[in-house]
Amino acid sequence: AQKVTQAQTEISVVEKEDVTLDCVYETRDTTYYLFWYKQPPSGELVFLIRRNSFDEQNEISGRYSWNFQKSTCSFNFTITASQVVDSAVYFCALSEAQEYGNKLVFGAGTILRVKS
Amino acid sequence: KAGVTQTPRYLIKTRGQQVTLSCSPISGHRSVSWYQQTPGQGLQFLFEYFSETQRNKGNFPGRFSGRQFSNSRSEMNVSTLELGDSALYLCASSRGEASGSPDTQYFGPGTRLTVL
Repeated sequence: AQKVTQAQTEISVVEKEDVTLDCVYETRDTTYYLFWYKQPPSGELVFLIRRNSFDEQNEISGRYSWNFQKSTCSFNFTITASQVVDSAVYFCALSEAQEYGNKLVFGAGTILRVKS
Repeated sequence: KAGVTQTPRYLIKTRGQQVTLSCSPISGHRSVSWYQQTPGQGLQFLFEYFSETQRNKGNFPGRFSGRQFSNSRSEMNVSTLELGDSALYLCASSRGEASGSPDTQYFGPGTRLTVL
C-alpha cells in the first residue's frame, strides 16, 4: 500500500529564514513518482515538482530545492530565504506507475507560516 | 492556456439532496480526476475519467459518481447528501495518455460544498 507522511503539521518562520518540509513515503513498487504541491488560501493546488524513482538528482529552482533520498524514502523540500508569499499548505504526493491512469496519494500537508 | 475551471465555486445544500459539480480541463487534456479535501481525512482520490470512461476509482460509496463528455469536460454527482460530504472538491486535469507514467495533474480552484 502507498502512504505519504508529512510529520510536520505546522511550521512558523520569520522572513528570510530557510525552512525544510519533510516528506517520507512508503510503496512496494520500484517505479513511482513523487510530487510537491502548494495550496495557498485561495484553495487551488499549485504544482511545484514531479520526480520519478529513477532520478535521485537533487533539484533547485530559484529559492526552492528538493532532496530525494531513495535509501530513506524521503523527498524533502527546502525554501531558502523564505518570504511572506510562501505562506501556504504544502503537500507531498505519491503516484505508482500504473498501466494507465493517474491517482495521487497525498500526505496530510504542512502549514507554513512566514512572518514578516 | 486557460487553467482548470470548476463551477460553481460555492454550494450550500441540505441533507438528502443531490448535487452536481462541473469541471473543464486544460485545453488538450483528456484526463480528469476528482479529489475530496476535508480537515479530517485530507485529500482523497475519488475517481479519474479518460475518454469518457472511468479509469480509476477510490474508496468512496456509490453515492459518488461522475461522467466525462466528449469534449473532456467532467461532472461529479453526489446523491443523498450527508453532513460528512461537506468538503472542498478539487478537479485535476492531465494529458492522460502515457502508459505507466503518471502525468502531472493540474488542479482547479475547487468547489466548496456545505451540507446543512
